[in-house]
Amino acid sequence: SSELTQDPAVSVALGQTVRITCQGDSLRNYYASWYQQKPGQAPIVVIYGKNNRPSGIPDRFSGSTSGNTASLTITGAQAEDEADYYCNSRDSSGNLYVFGTGTKVTVL
Amino acid sequence: EVQLVESGGGLVKPGGSLRLSCAASGFTFSGYTMNWVRQAPGKGLEWVSSISSSRGYTYYADSVKGRFTISRDNAKNSVYLQMNSLRDEDTGFYYCARRFGAPSYWYFDLWGRGTLVSVSS
Repeated sequence: SSELTQDPAVSVALGQTVRITCQGDSLRNYYASWYQQKPGQAPIVVIYGKNNRPSGIPDRFSGSTSGNTASLTITGAQAEDEADYYCNSRDSSGNLYVFGTGTKVTVL
Repeated sequence: EVQLVESGGGLVKPGGSLRLSCAASGFTFSGYTMNWVRQAPGKGLEWVSSISSSRGYTYYADSVKGRFTISRDNAKNSVYLQMNSLRDEDTGFYYCARRFGAPSYWYFDLWGRGTLVSVSS
């Protein structure tokens, strides 16, 4: 099975830009999706595919991929963006799924 | 309303069994691959299992293969997770999630609120 590695924690000043990365070999073949999870809540998807946002997700969230690394960028972070973020993709077999290790984003 | 509602969680002793249910409403359940995702207390998300929409193909994470069985009843708009030989490390919230998208970009677009499974003696 594959692994997806994320930095455990990042911080960003209010209104500034933060990028969260997700590394894994399967990302060379499959797009990542990104999930935001706040304490006590179920995750919600914020980015999927090449760079697609579900309805209701602010346009300050964007995604990109280069080689084996997927990135989630929050441009102009808001207090309500403070949360845990997880990437997800298929594993190398294409039949299973794997979540990244998660990144805690703190907005200062 | 489009939603997923999990049930069946509870306290069980190591080696015991539990059956989780997820009831779907507000969409054509039979057209979607369904998944279970879990989260141990204070830990990250872990994909557990999936079952395809029509043919019922099933897939499992290595950590649960041989112990857990996913199934679905399209007539009842429900997906289930039979968990046997439970271990302490199976403790956590179990979420039901709908897969959406296309082969090049599958993602989990709809989640339930989760049900808590506690494995302890």
